[in-house]
Amino acid sequence: DAKTTQPTSMDCAEGRAANLPCNHSTISGNEYVYWYRQIHSQGPQYIIHGLKNNETNEMASLIITEDRKSSTLILPHATLRDTAVYYCIVRVATGTASKLTFGTGTRLQVTL
Amino acid sequence: NAGVMQNPRHLVRRRGQEARLRCSPMKGHSHVYWYRQLPEEGLKFMVYLQKENIIDESGMPKERFSAEFPKEGPSILRIQQVVRGDSAAYFCASSPYSGSSYEQYFGPGTRLTVT
Repeated sequence: DAKTTQPTSMDCAEGRAANLPCNHSTISGNEYVYWYRQIHSQGPQYIIHGLKNNETNEMASLIITEDRKSSTLILPHATLRDTAVYYCIVRVATGTASKLTFGTGTRLQVTL
Repeated sequence: NAGVMQNPRHLVRRRGQEARLRCSPMKGHSHVYWYRQLPEEGLKFMVYLQKENIIDESGMPKERFSAEFPKEGPSILRIQQVVRGDSAAYFCASSPYSGSSYEQYFGPGTRLTVT
């Protein structure tokens, strides 16, 4: 799986949009971009994933650049409960290579 | 639909004892993954199983660790003769299919402490 690069930490004011960048310059055409988060010591929580097109769900939006070398996770109105470590993961789209390779992630701190 | 269940949530074992961690996947999911998170570190993949089959065990330590996912019942991660370095959070995840377009859903984890 391609390696990803994320900032170590970020701050965001409550109510503002949180934009979390991820660099995956070596991504291949058949690799998905996945985002998970881990709140405190809980199990990771799936947020969103995409291949080429931008994606949106009830939690977040995922913006993937046209060359697919980077992406941004957007939490439109961050709350204190969004404080967590966010992981950007690139995952090859083959049947048996289904493991997730977690990096160090971005620690997002949402403040009042 | 109940989520991924793991038990026990906390497990304390003395050095040399055996630890058995259980994972019940979400209903309808036949693919199970185990990950380990050492203190202050990220999650590391251990093993991927389907019913009665080990598909990928590339992250499993060569000795003392084994995993199974029988036809009936939960998936079991077994650690024999535990050592202090096995102290970690062990997370199980499940998915309905194996493809990478399908997300994995994680359980709350089992925190193993070896004394």
